[in-house]
Formats: sequence, structure tokens, C-alpha cells
Amino acid sequence: EDKVVQSPLSLVVHEGDTVTLNCSYEVTNFRSLLWYKQEKKAPTFLFMLTSSGIEKKSGRLSSILDKKELFSILNITATQTGDSAVYLCAVVSGAGSYQLTFGKGTKLSVIP
Amino acid sequence: DTGVSQDPRHKITKRGQNVTFRCDPISEHNRLYWYRQTLGQGPEFLTYFQNEAQLEKSRLLSDRFSAERPKGSFSTLEIQRTEQGDSAMYLCASSLGLGRQETQYFGPGTRLLVL
Repeated sequence: EDKVVQSPLSLVVHEGDTVTLNCSYEVTNFRSLLWYKQEKKAPTFLFMLTSSGIEKKSGRLSSILDKKELFSILNITATQTGDSAVYLCAVVSGAGSYQLTFGKGTKLSVIP
Repeated sequence: DTGVSQDPRHKITKRGQNVTFRCDPISEHNRLYWYRQTLGQGPEFLTYFQNEAQLEKSRLLSDRFSAERPKGSFSTLEIQRTEQGDSAMYLCASSLGLGRQETQYFGPGTRLLVL
């Protein structure tokens, strides 16, 4: 059975701190890994990663994938209170499947 | 707003009643997905459509659950004889349907409470 594990499950930081969120996976026929941000509503897309070692960046957020070690990290620099959310990692795997297998998420709280 | 839309946003029902949710995907998206999310968990896959064809179903989708996408546009998810364990957020997502590595875009969800 495919498995996606995120750590830590929750994290409290002060504004301006840098955080690293972790996602490890055990799946068959890995195709892609996606990061989403969820703020009490629909998950909103952040990044899709398919190749190892290529960093994706968007403003203060960046992410990288290691397909050999089967993990990804999401970095957020200079955190702001608006970054407070649950960050979800999901993997697409399998030959003909398109379903996302999600981790439980990391709940990030940024305090002023 | 051209994103994924879902209706209703909230539903409270009594155990044993039937409920139906609707999802309108992003225009021109061929793939449509249903997920269920309970408190403190990530979304869990239920089923997926390519146009009007239902191509994949999770074992989570018991025989009380049925989903349709009759014209390849909007989709409905019906739960018959609801149970308290069905209380969850039901999320719909859509993607273009042109490739093997695609981004799924989520709607706001329908929050179901079964009393």
C-alpha cells in the first residue's frame, strides 16, 4: 500500500523564521509529488516535482525532490502570519492511476 | 470565478437519509476527482472520471456511494443511507486530462455532518 509520511505534524514559529517541512514516501511506480497549502478550505496548489535535484521556487517558498532517498522538502523563508496553514504533500503513483495519495499534513502556525 | 465549484458548501442530515453533492470542474478539464477528508487527515481518494467514464474507484467507495458524470461536465456524488461515519469534507478536483503528470485543482468542498 502506498504511504506518504509528513513531519513534523505541527510546528509553531515566529514571524521571520525559516521552516523546513518534510515529506517521505513509499510508493510503487512514482510519477510525481505535489505540495498543497490548505487554509480551512480547498487545498491550493504550490508545486509539482517530478525530477530529482531540481528546485522549484515561488517567492519565499521552495521545494526539492530526492527520488533516490524518496523524500521532498518544502522550505519557507521569512515566514509571515499568512503562511499559517496546513501543508499537504501528495504523490501520484501507479501505471494507470491518477489518484493523489496524501500525507496527514503539517500544521504550521506563524505567530507575530 | 473560473475555479472548481461545489454545491452545497455545508450539509447537515440525519442518519439514514440520502444526500447528493454537485461538482462543477474548471471549464475544459476532462478529469474529475472526488476525495474525502476527515479532521486531522489528508484527503483520501474516492473516485475519478475521464470525461463521462468512471475509470477508478477506491475501496473506500462502498456500495452506498455512487458518482456520476453524465455529460462529461459536472459530477454528482450521492451517499445513500448516510451513517455518522460519513461525516467529512467531500472535495472535488479537476485536471486537464492531457498528460500523465498533471496538477489537480480543488474546489472548496462540501462539509457533511450526519447526526
